[in-house]
Amino acid sequence: DTGVSQDPRHKITKRGQNVTFRCDPISEHNRLYWYRQTLGQGPEFLTYFQNEAQLEKSRLLSDRFSAERPKGSFSTLEIQRTEQGDSAMYLCASSLAGERGNTIYFGEGSWLTVV
Amino acid sequence: AQTVTQSQPEMSVQEAETVTLSCTYDTSESDYYLFWYKQPPSRQMILVIRQEAYKQQNATENRFSVNFQKAAKSFSLKISDSQLGDAAMYFCAYRRTAVTGANSKLTFGKGITLSVRP
Repeated sequence: DTGVSQDPRHKITKRGQNVTFRCDPISEHNRLYWYRQTLGQGPEFLTYFQNEAQLEKSRLLSDRFSAERPKGSFSTLEIQRTEQGDSAMYLCASSLAGERGNTIYFGEGSWLTVV
Repeated sequence: AQTVTQSQPEMSVQEAETVTLSCTYDTSESDYYLFWYKQPPSRQMILVIRQEAYKQQNATENRFSVNFQKAAKSFSLKISDSQLGDAAMYFCAYRRTAVTGANSKLTFGKGITLSVRP
């Protein structure tokens, strides 16, 4: 059973460019989460899907950020018109709903550097 | 809103010794989960241990155990017989027990960096 995979692992982009990250959750997991983590800090919640429905979005998710999970499997997180403050690691995680105490599994993250 | 506080930014332990990492949280809920996650440098975050708030017994996983004090809203992690591979950032996290729909996200503390001296 493969874990949560994220692509690309590292991305350097110029300010103002758009970037897209992809997340492939564990195959049977119907819940998918995106978090952002800056150096030396804990992850901060961005958004959450159950199947293809986006059920919750943080106020951290500005209009420049959009996430999709079109078929309830993989997800993409797009950042438009990147700013230097967007530099962070973007973590994807997944879990299986319906089971009390279900564990949330994390991917290795996608590092974004905006120059 | 729920908050998780880890007030110690760094700790150090001698190999084979025991170390305790502290965490406090704030919630108005009576049923919830608490977690400790480990994040080694440049590697993915992995679950170390989980505690369900309705269970009075403290969770244990091999060398890892917790001291859960519900009334004090305290949740500390004890690592016994510390190993070099335990060096990592450790995050305390909270989650509501909603099984369906929203509010199943984790709320993390700022983390603590644990170093292990050989």
